Amino acid sequence: EDQVTQSPEALRLQEGESSSLNCSYTVSGLRGLFWYRQDPGKGPEFLFTLYSAGEEKEKERLKATLTKKESFLHITAPKPEDSATYLCAVQANTGFQKLVFGTGTRLLVSP
Amino acid sequence: DVKVTQSSRYLVKRTGEKVFLECVQDMDHENMFWYRQDPGLGLRLIYFSYDVKMKEKGDIPEGYSVSREKKERFSLILESASTNQTSMYLCASSQITGELFFGEGSRLTVL
Repeated sequence: EDQVTQSPEALRLQEGESSSLNCSYTVSGLRGLFWYRQDPGKGPEFLFTLYSAGEEKEKERLKATLTKKESFLHITAPKPEDSATYLCAVQANTGFQKLVFGTGTRLLVSP
Repeated sequence: DVKVTQSSRYLVKRTGEKVFLECVQDMDHENMFWYRQDPGLGLRLIYFSYDVKMKEKGDIPEGYSVSREKKERFSLILESASTNQTSMYLCASSQITGELFFGEGSRLTVL
């Protein structure tokens, strides 16, 4: 069974304090790994798709990386507006390509 | 920009009532999905559809049904609402392969 585990559950940072969020996964064959951002009371917003080990993608202060067992979302010099829940999901390359989600990491960045 | 619109942001219903949640997407996507999101459990797939009038059960279909009469519209139906169906419901759409685009969510409370 495909599984996604995210850690930590919650993370509190000071503005400018860089850190990383972890997403460990097991999947029969990986088609893609997705990162989403979710603000309270809203739907998830797409950030990145990674397809193969070694791939990296960047967007402003966020950089996502992928290995064969896990993905990291690195946050460099975060700002309070980066506070949100970050969700990781995997899509298998067998059967219908539905996404399996982790439970997310709640990030709070204090000024 | 892809837009996925859910008809109701907040609903309060009584046990045993029939509930309709409507979702419309404007990007001509083939796939549409209904997830529910609960604290500590993450996003769980209820049903999905890969074509008009086609539907497939997700991981937690019990107590729900769906309808897709037009490509852009996907409805979730709770035939007889129960208190354990109190949740945030998220609709999403995607191309044949690729990232999901989510609506803003519908928060349902069943009393």
